[in-house]
Amino acid sequence: DAKTTQPPSMDCAEGRAANLPCNHSTISGNEYVYWYRQIHSQGPQYIIHGLKNNETNEMASLIITEDRKSSTLILPHATLRDTAVYYCIVRVGETSYDKVIFGPGTSLSVIP
Amino acid sequence: GAGVSQSPSNKVTEKGKDVELRCDPISGHTALYWYRQRLGQGLEFLIYFQGNSAPDKSGLPSDRFSAERTGESVSTLTIQRTQQEDSAVYLCASSLGTYWGLGTSGHSYNEQFFGPGTRLTVL
Repeated sequence: DAKTTQPPSMDCAEGRAANLPCNHSTISGNEYVYWYRQIHSQGPQYIIHGLKNNETNEMASLIITEDRKSSTLILPHATLRDTAVYYCIVRVGETSYDKVIFGPGTSLSVIP
Repeated sequence: GAGVSQSPSNKVTEKGKDVELRCDPISGHTALYWYRQRLGQGLEFLIYFQGNSAPDKSGLPSDRFSAERTGESVSTLTIQRTQQEDSAVYLCASSLGTYWGLGTSGHSYNEQFFGPGTRLTVL
């Protein structure tokens, strides 16, 4: 699986949009971009995933660049409950269960 | 070194039967996670064990699901009275465990290493 790089930490004001970047410059054509988050002392939570088109669900939006070498997770109106570590990973397919390693992720702090 | 192992790799069962899935984490990893992945969907968190702390069971979908872990080693996920909607790949992962910081290997404590999964089919 391709490696990803993310900034170690970010702050966001409550109510504002949180934009979390991820670089995956070596991504292959059949690899999907997945985002998860982990709130302290809880298990990881799936947020969203996509291949090349932008995706939106009730939690977030995923913007993938045309060359697919980077993506941005957008939380449109961040709340204090969104404070967590956010992980960007790339995986082959939607049904693959190859070994996956979560990197350090981005620690997002939502500030009142 | 050895990675996370799971058994069985495939399990076919009849509706209403109980099943038990096993996970052997990487030695020295204090955190252990169970996930479920249905076809075409992302990983769904089920339960999280961290050392001797009370497990985070918030992801278990019903009281038919339970999991145990012996110390910081083997874990078993039990599904009672299986239903067809339980059909999925069940993944186990382990990590060094401490939420923040780096281990001596340079890997983040919260990096998770996944096993190959158990594919459960309920007929």
